[in-house]
Amino acid sequence: EDKVVQSPLSLVVHEGDTVTLNCSYEVTNFRSLLWYKQEKKAPTFLFMLTSSGIEKKSGRLSSILDKKELFSILNITATQTGDSAVYLCAVPGGSQGNLIFGKGTKLSVKP
Amino acid sequence: SQTIHQWPATLVQPVGSPLSLECTVEGTSNPNLYWYRQAAGRGLQLLFYSVGIGQISSEVPQNLSASRPQDRQFILSSKKLLLSDSGFYLCAWSPGNTEAFFGQGTRLTVV
Repeated sequence: EDKVVQSPLSLVVHEGDTVTLNCSYEVTNFRSLLWYKQEKKAPTFLFMLTSSGIEKKSGRLSSILDKKELFSILNITATQTGDSAVYLCAVPGGSQGNLIFGKGTKLSVKP
Repeated sequence: SQTIHQWPATLVQPVGSPLSLECTVEGTSNPNLYWYRQAAGRGLQLLFYSVGIGQISSEVPQNLSASRPQDRQFILSSKKLLLSDSGFYLCAWSPGNTEAFFGQGTRLTVV
């Protein structure tokens, strides 16, 4: 069965800290891995990773994929209170190629 | 550019009442459409998937149903709501088996 496991489930840090969020996956036919940020409402797309070892970067956020060990990490440097959110990891899988999500990591950044 | 509309944003319904949530997509043709549900503290669970008009795949047995009467319209329905139907419902579209883009979500409370 295809699945995605994220850790930790929750994390509390102070502004300026650097955090690393983890995502491991098992999927029959790997195509990509996606990261989303969810605040109050809908998840917003952050990154899509398809190749091992190539870092995707957007401002203070970066992510990398390891297809051999079946995991990805999302790094956030110099965290700000606006980074507080649930971060979701997903892979296309299942019988229809639909996105399978992990339970998310709830990040709280204290001032 | 593509946009996705979902309404209503919040809904409080009594047990046993019917439900109809609507989702429409603009700026694309023949999208893959999804309904997800997110219960408190849990990841996104796929409910229904559609690759075209009148084509609906159900992932989870439940008292909900979905319909796609038009190419860019996806409707989630129930004849009689249960308390356990409470949650955050998200409509999403994707161009294929890649990243998905979400509507703003409907927070449903069944009382």
